[in-house]
Amino acid sequence: NAGVTQTPKFQVLKTGQSMTLQCAQDMNHEYMSWYRQDPGMGLRLIHYSVGAGITDQGEVPNGYNVSRSTTEDFPLRLLSAAPSQTSVYFCASSSPSSEKLFFGSGTQLSVL
Amino acid sequence: KNQVEQSPQSLIILEGKNCTLQCNYTVSPFSNLRWYKQDTGRGPVSLTIMTFSENTKSNGRYTATLDADTKQSSLHITASQLSDSASYICVVSEGDNNDMRFGAGTRLTVKP
Repeated sequence: NAGVTQTPKFQVLKTGQSMTLQCAQDMNHEYMSWYRQDPGMGLRLIHYSVGAGITDQGEVPNGYNVSRSTTEDFPLRLLSAAPSQTSVYFCASSSPSSEKLFFGSGTQLSVL
Repeated sequence: KNQVEQSPQSLIILEGKNCTLQCNYTVSPFSNLRWYKQDTGRGPVSLTIMTFSENTKSNGRYTATLDADTKQSSLHITASQLSDSASYICVVSEGDNNDMRFGAGTRLTVKP
């Protein structure tokens, strides 16, 4: 199993550009989520999904969109990037029977 | 104010020494508390999870304690190794909806 795979690893955007961060898991997990990690702060939940076709907002959803068309994939879209979205983004997944989240290796995003 | 506070913010110890990391929380109602290890440039990896009725849990050289009355947890690392250098994140879940609250982490550096 590859676990949770995130791409790209690094990305630089200009203000106003759009992009999609990819996340895929091969563990057949129903639950998937996106977090951002900023210096001196804990991980903050952006969006999450409890299954294909179902998404919901987390703590900091503004400026981000998600979709869940399959169990495996959970892309995160930035429609119009802003410098405040400079951060490290983590995708995670888990199953109802699992007590822990499995995280991807992260995407470091810089918005200039 | 973050509902999960970790101390110290950073710590440097010599290889072979023991150390203890602290986590205080105000999350209520309480569901469970997890400790994650995050290597530089990687996503967090689960170390332990404890529920209300558990007051200690070990994972190799890592031992977590929980005092649900005082809302405190600690992670004790025995006979530290260079590979223990990482950030250690405390995560507390709320009882009603299982929302997770992340601490900002303790950055541990183990020197030879």
